[in-house]
Amino acid sequence: AQTVTQSQPEMSVQEAETVTLSCTYDTSESNYYLFWYKQPPSRQMILVIRQEAYKQQNATENRFSVNFQKAAKSFSLKISDSQLGDTAMYFCAFMKRNAGNMLTFGGGTRLMVKP
Amino acid sequence: KAGVTQTPRYLIKTRGQQVTLSCSPISGHRSVSWYQQTPGQGLQFLFEYFSETQRNKGNFPGRFSGRQFSNSRSEMNVSTLELGDSALYLCASSPFQGTDTQYFGPGTRLTVL
Repeated sequence: AQTVTQSQPEMSVQEAETVTLSCTYDTSESNYYLFWYKQPPSRQMILVIRQEAYKQQNATENRFSVNFQKAAKSFSLKISDSQLGDTAMYFCAFMKRNAGNMLTFGGGTRLMVKP
Repeated sequence: KAGVTQTPRYLIKTRGQQVTLSCSPISGHRSVSWYQQTPGQGLQFLFEYFSETQRNKGNFPGRFSGRQFSNSRSEMNVSTLELGDSALYLCASSPFQGTDTQYFGPGTRLTVL
């Protein structure tokens, strides 16, 4: 079984600054995907970024980028130029490749962006 | 394309009753997964349906069941409701199975009194 751990329950950052959210995972699988999802107060879960484990290059999506360290089983999310709209819960999630669409989530990090 | 829709958005039931929640995936998506979100347990996988077949099941009692129709719409049912079943139930869809990103609906907030 896989486990996903987010060690920072809450974080805050000033608007326009950069923040990094941590995620570690444990798995014996070699083929998998990692995701960051954002859940704002509206509760709608929104995909932020996705990383395929077989790709060494770190994924980026506009102001969002990841630092994927496969050997260390670490998958952190960096948010640059933080905006007030980034205030949300952020969940790290793991999915085995070709084994069905079953996500294993971390406990989440509550991020507050302050003006 | 329209996103994933879930109905109803809010539901209040009493202990012992049963409830059915509905999920309509994004057009063309064939996989539907269900998750339960509670403050204590976080986000937990319930089950996944692909082409009307249950492909994966999480660690939940048999009171939780689901099905998928030929148009990919899915329903989940909880029988003999308990107070601990109060949660946000999220549905997610994706085009295929095991290789794709899941897109989530807005959820159904179930309160059991």
